[in-house]
Amino acid sequence: DAKTTQPPSMDCAEGRAANLPCNHSTISGNEYVYWYRQIHSQGPQYIIHGLKNNETNEMASLIITEDRKSSTLILPHATLRDTAVYYCIVTQAGANNLFFGTGTRLTVIP
Amino acid sequence: GAVVSQHPSWVICKSGTSVKIECRSLDFQATTMFWYRQFPKQSLMLMATSNEGSKATYEQGVEKDKFLINHASLTLSTLTVTSAHPEDSSFYICSARPGNDYGYTFGSGTRLTVV
Repeated sequence: DAKTTQPPSMDCAEGRAANLPCNHSTISGNEYVYWYRQIHSQGPQYIIHGLKNNETNEMASLIITEDRKSSTLILPHATLRDTAVYYCIVTQAGANNLFFGTGTRLTVIP
Repeated sequence: GAVVSQHPSWVICKSGTSVKIECRSLDFQATTMFWYRQFPKQSLMLMATSNEGSKATYEQGVEKDKFLINHASLTLSTLTVTSAHPEDSSFYICSARPGNDYGYTFGSGTRLTVV
């Protein structure tokens, strides 16, 4: 699986958009970008995934650059409950497991 | 959505005893389930892949005789930590995937403390 690079930590004001970047410059053509988050002492929660096109769901938006070497997860209106560690993972669609890097610890500030 | 239920959520056991953790897929069948371990302030590390009806596949450095995995049905995988020691204290998490078009779903985790 390709490696990803994320900033170790970020702060965001409550109600503002949180933009979490991820670099995956060695991603291959058949690898997807997945985002998960882990709230303290809980299992990871799936957020969103994409291949080439931008994606949006009820939780977040995923913006993938045209060259696919980086992506941004956007939480449009961050709340205190969004405080968590966010993991960006690239993996093939049929892969049997996920490799978790160190992620970004997002702290939403009141 | 797809749910993976993990039980117990926490357990305290004495050194030398064994502990069993269950992982169930509630509304889908999972021929494969995954077991992760997470030490404090660290990321999740895959321990093993549980395969229904066959032997589990262990990652390098994970002792298969210590971490027994059984996947006897399409909805249940169990991880047994045998002869537990304090260094086995960790957060154990299982996951499964409802299908190729879906993300992996994780259980809520089991915090094991060995005293």
